[in-house]
Amino acid sequence: EAEVAQSPRYKITEKSQAVAFWCDPISGHATLYWYRQILGQGPELLVQFQDESVVDDSQLPKDRFSAERLKGVDSTLKIQPAELGDSAMYLCASSPGGETQYFGPGTRLLVL
Amino acid sequence: QKEVEQDPGPLSVPEGAIVSLNCTYSNSAFQYFMWYRQYSRKGPELLMYTYSSGNKEDGRFTAQVDKSSKYISLFIRDSQPSDSATYLCAMSPNSGGYNKLIFGAGTRLAVHP
Repeated sequence: EAEVAQSPRYKITEKSQAVAFWCDPISGHATLYWYRQILGQGPELLVQFQDESVVDDSQLPKDRFSAERLKGVDSTLKIQPAELGDSAMYLCASSPGGETQYFGPGTRLLVL
Repeated sequence: QKEVEQDPGPLSVPEGAIVSLNCTYSNSAFQYFMWYRQYSRKGPELLMYTYSSGNKEDGRFTAQVDKSSKYISLFIRDSQPSDSATYLCAMSPNSGGYNKLIFGAGTRLAVHP
């Protein structure tokens, strides 16, 4: 069964450092999402791609976060510099179209 | 006020019980309603997907949507210890192909033998 892949699974970093997360969506899925899930809360959308284009990044803190999906397949989310409040689970999801989204296992980030 | 409200629990039930999980929402534009299950330290897994009002059944799981009350429910029959997880409701408006999901905070469920 095809799955969304994410790496790393866990990341510990110090504040002010740069971190990057990688996502490989299910093959053929044109839509890719990055969510942030703070402990005890539901996921919140950071950025949505349709192929290589950003279609919604209204909730992405653009002063420190960036995301790209250069070839319309895999994607990278970067934080620079990381802050204590960025500690969370970062989830990637993909969709073939419509509302059904399939999530990866997530990257758990701890900023010290 | 959040667009989607969900009681975080925790909810603890004995094995075999019927579980009822609920969400309320404020945005009448929501048309698509989903329930995700999330095990500890894992990504959410889609359980049920419903469009507009009505009921949908899949094995031990039944999803209900009451748009007039802005209220959705997930029922789990004959609950099992393996059902212990956090259940997230999610919903999306009917606005074309680029819908983002709005999630509830999740309800933690523990089913004890």
